[in-house]
Amino acid sequence: EIVMTQSPATLSVSPGERATLSCRASQSVSSNLAWYQQKPGQAPRLLIYGASTRATGIPARFSGSGSGTEFTLTISSLQSEDFAVYYCQQYNNWPPLFGQGTKLEIK
Amino acid sequence: EVQLVESGGGLIQPGGSLRLSCAASGFTVSSNYMNWVRQAPGRGLEWVSVIYSGGSTYYADSVKGRFTISRDNSKNTLYLQMNSLRAEDTAVYYCARGVFGSGYLLGYWGQGTLVTVSS
Repeated sequence: EIVMTQSPATLSVSPGERATLSCRASQSVSSNLAWYQQKPGQAPRLLIYGASTRATGIPARFSGSGSGTEFTLTISSLQSEDFAVYYCQQYNNWPPLFGQGTKLEIK
Repeated sequence: EVQLVESGGGLIQPGGSLRLSCAASGFTVSSNYMNWVRQAPGRGLEWVSVIYSGGSTYYADSVKGRFTISRDNSKNTLYLQMNSLRAEDTAVYYCARGVFGSGYLLGYWGQGTLVTVSS
């Protein structure tokens, strides 16, 4: 199975600044990589798929990049509603495992 | 509008059984790939099971042989039958629909239902 590793586990950033989250796959997943956002008490929400395509309704400040084994989620100019936990997930192979998550907290 | 509403969670003793339901509206369950994903308290997301539109089913190793995913087309509802429950099965269980032709790209999620396995 493909292991997904996210870094860092926790990221402290001030509102208005840029956040960069990383996700690494133990083997290539091509561009079949998604990012989800989860706020406390809520279900996850799909943000990015195909490594770089924003899902419907997702603001342009969210962007994804990468292919193969290295991926990045960038949030430019953080807003208060962006502080949450972010998960990457590969959907190239079975089982479709998630990373362990990165908690984005207010600095 | 797509909606997924889970139910059936609760407190159950170890070794017991529980059936979760996920009532769907705004689309047809049988025409889509439907998944169950769980999240233990304070932990990350764990994919549990999927049923393809054609009826094939797959499970995480941690639940294989104990959990069964199914659907009722007449009720447009997804189910997860959970047997031989263990403390480590304690989690919020979400149903989620695959999108964009991928069974595992989860574009729609329910609000989740909490299962607590404890004596």
